[in-house]
Amino acid sequence: EIVLTQSPATLSLSPGERATLSCRASQRVSSFLAWYQQKPGQAPRLLIYDTSNRATGIPPRFSGSGSGTDFTLTISSLEPEDFAVYYCQQRSNWPLFGGGTKVEIK
Amino acid sequence: QVQLQESGPGLVKPSQTLSLTCTVSGGSLTSGSYHWTWIRQPAGRGLEWIGHISNSGTTNYNSSLQGRVTISLDTSKNQFSLKLSSVTAADTALYFCARDSYIGSYYWFDYWGQGTLVTVSS
Repeated sequence: EIVLTQSPATLSLSPGERATLSCRASQRVSSFLAWYQQKPGQAPRLLIYDTSNRATGIPPRFSGSGSGTDFTLTISSLEPEDFAVYYCQQRSNWPLFGGGTKVEIK
Repeated sequence: QVQLQESGPGLVKPSQTLSLTCTVSGGSLTSGSYHWTWIRQPAGRGLEWIGHISNSGTTNYNSSLQGRVTISLDTSKNQFSLKLSSVTAADTALYFCARDSYIGSYYWFDYWGQGTLVTVSS
């Protein structure tokens, strides 16, 4: 069974800084990886699908990259509304999520 | 704009069956190629996929819950439902319904309900 490990668990940054979030799979997952953003009390929101494609309405400061087992979500310049928890997700036998990275205000 | 809304009891006794319903508005359950999905999130923890049902009625469940979970469709009400039997405290979580849509090369969760908290306690 594939395991998704996200790092770091918490990322403390200031608005305007660049955020780099990692998602590592225990086995190759091809390009079937997505990223979601979840704010407190809200449902997750799809940000990135197929590793690098932004979902509808997602601003260009969000970008995804990677292949094989190592994937990255980059937020080029953090806006106040970007402080949240981010999950990666892949599909193997069934949809599986990583443990999440919390991006908090430093 | 598609909207999903979960409903059901917020408190379930151990060993009983948890039952939740997701009402879909702004679109039909039977149109398009979607998987109507249940996902849960224990407090302070990550997301766990429970299972889904397609608009043709085909189901697929997380093997860790196999045997306890049933997802069904009610097309007349544009709803789909979750039943999870023999619950324990470990089933206490925020339960989300979501739409799994074919976007790009595969299926991704593009619409979610707000979630409903279910606590298992006597």
